[in-house]
This record gives sequence, structure tokens and C-alpha cells, in this order.
Amino acid sequence: DAGITQSPRHKVTETGTPVTLRCHQTENHRYMYWYRQDPGHGLRLIHYSYGVKDTDKGEVSDGYSVSRSKTEDFLLTLESATSSQTSVYFCAIMGASGGAYNEQFFGPGTRLTVL
Amino acid sequence: AQSVTQPDIHITVSEGASLELRCNYSYGATPYLFWYVQSPGQGLQLLLKYFSGDTLVQGIKGFEAEFKRSQSSFNLRKPSVHWSDAAEYFCAVGAQNQGGKLIFGQGTELSVKP
Repeated sequence: DAGITQSPRHKVTETGTPVTLRCHQTENHRYMYWYRQDPGHGLRLIHYSYGVKDTDKGEVSDGYSVSRSKTEDFLLTLESATSSQTSVYFCAIMGASGGAYNEQFFGPGTRLTVL
Repeated sequence: AQSVTQPDIHITVSEGASLELRCNYSYGATPYLFWYVQSPGQGLQLLLKYFSGDTLVQGIKGFEAEFKRSQSSFNLRKPSVHWSDAAEYFCAVGAQNQGGKLIFGQGTELSVKP
């Protein structure tokens, strides 16, 4: 158990509304990631963070923003949700030790439906 | 372009039979390779990983994978499948100095017949 929680676990919202998803970790890992999972696409990276206030874009970042003001929290915001953002969102952390590359551990996911 | 391909979207095997799930990658740097498993409604669990060294790696739940650089492949195998292995399997690739970013394949759904 990598100590990753996501909230909310399920959310239904309407087109045009803002939505924020939260990822919380308890083990002080430097690297955190947001992915979306869609049938036929596997997981695709949205944004990632390599430290407090240090973030970068992934493969499918359009329409999403992120923030990391504390090591333990990584927030994903949909400024104005669209139906194409209906998906399952996973947060992950990299179990890095001393900067060395390591595997990622995933949270339980958030299922978001945009009507 | 960097990519990972899992050619089989869905595979069905009989319980007790052997299993091989295919993964091919296209990556400019020396790859780090992973297999994850996802049970319905759950998150992803790491089965095994390859960073360097012995090209045959052992993982959890009796799975193994072999890295073949010449074929750009990292196929997952299990000698005898159990009903509890029914799940979706994802291959992923990363590299050093890439911020830990992973590229995932599309996934292979495994069904197990009794």
C-alpha cells in the first residue's frame, strides 16, 4: 500500500462546471502523476509534478490544470468540464529513492461523468 | 514517436493453460519496462519490472516477462493460469531522465474459462 488516496471517488457534473480532483499521499514522494483511462487507450498522462510548485504537461493536458502547494497533495482541475473529459482518473506516485528511477504506484481512481 | 503496442485486445484461455501476453515498444532511449494488472473497478498493481540485467524477470503471482531488445518486445508469461488471473493487463515503458513518465499500451483483457 503506497498510501495514496483520491477524492472524490465518483462524481457526476454538468458541462461547463469546474471540477477539482484531489490526490493525497502519505509517504513524502517527490513525483506525482495524473492519468486518465479510456477504453482502447490504456492510461494517458495528463500532468505530472516533480516537487512543490513544479509541474509539467503530459500527453493530454489540454483542458486541465494542476497545482501542488504541498508535497502530499496534487490537485487536478478541469476549468470547464466537457463530455470528452468523462473518464476514470488515476493518480500515481513514483517510489523514487534518492532521485533514482523506480516504479509507479497508483491510487484507486476517480470516476468522473460529465453530462 | 514513442509508443507501446499490445496487439491483443482480448484473450481467452482455459484455467490451467499457459498464457503469453504480447507487448512491443518503440522508444529511442534504453527502456524501463513494466507490466501492471487491473482487476475490475480497481487501480493498477505492478506485476513486474525490468530496468537492466537479466532479461528474464520474475514477478508476483507466478508471472514472468522476457525483455528482447532485438525484437523490441517484453512479453508476459504464466505457465498455468488461475481463474483469479482474469483482469486487464497493461504494458508500460519509461526511461531515465524522463521525469518518470510512462507510456502505456492499450491493454489486454484476459478471460479465463473454467
